[in-house]
Amino acid sequence: NAGVTQTPKFRILKIGQSMTLQCTQDMNHNYMYWYRQDPGMGLKLIYYSVGAGITDKGEVPNGYNVSRSTTEDFPLRLELAAPSQTSVYFCASSYDSDTQYFGPGTRLTVL
Amino acid sequence: GQQLNQSPQSMFIQEGEDVSMNCTSSSIFNTWLWYKQEPGEGPVLLIALYKAGELTSNGRLTAQFGITRKDSFLNISASIPSDVGIYFCAGPTLGTYKYIFGTGTRLKVLA
Repeated sequence: NAGVTQTPKFRILKIGQSMTLQCTQDMNHNYMYWYRQDPGMGLKLIYYSVGAGITDKGEVPNGYNVSRSTTEDFPLRLELAAPSQTSVYFCASSYDSDTQYFGPGTRLTVL
Repeated sequence: GQQLNQSPQSMFIQEGEDVSMNCTSSSIFNTWLWYKQEPGEGPVLLIALYKAGELTSNGRLTAQFGITRKDSFLNISASIPSDVGIYFCAGPTLGTYKYIFGTGTRLKVLA
């Protein structure tokens, strides 16, 4: 099992560009989450999904979109990147919602 | 919005010492989770608590679910260098799958 994989590992964007952060899990988990972690801070929930076709907003959803067409994949879309979106993005999956398995993260810088 | 406040913010301890940290909220939680994050990686679940007053152990780690359901404590006994990292408390907002993470306690162990 690869667990939770995220691509890319690093990315630099210019203001106004868009991109998709990929997240895939091979554990057949229904629950998936996207978090962002700013330097020296805790994690903040952006979006989550309780199963294929179902997504909902977390604490900080503005500027982001998600989709969940399959159990395995949960991509996060950034439209019109802004410097405030500079952060480390973590994807997680879970079989029971509490025991979340995190990916290695994507480090995004918006200049 | 809901916040989880952790104290202390950081700790420097000698190898072999015991460590105690806590997490408090202004709102009630039905689940308390403790995660550990090592540099450059995603968090890993250490302990999950589901019942007020519950005391749960995982090796040298012991965590308690406060009676008021507004706090939780994590103790590490006989610390070792690999205990270094950031410890986060977390929990889902009541009746939702929206997880809130605390501000973190940064632990450094001096050999």
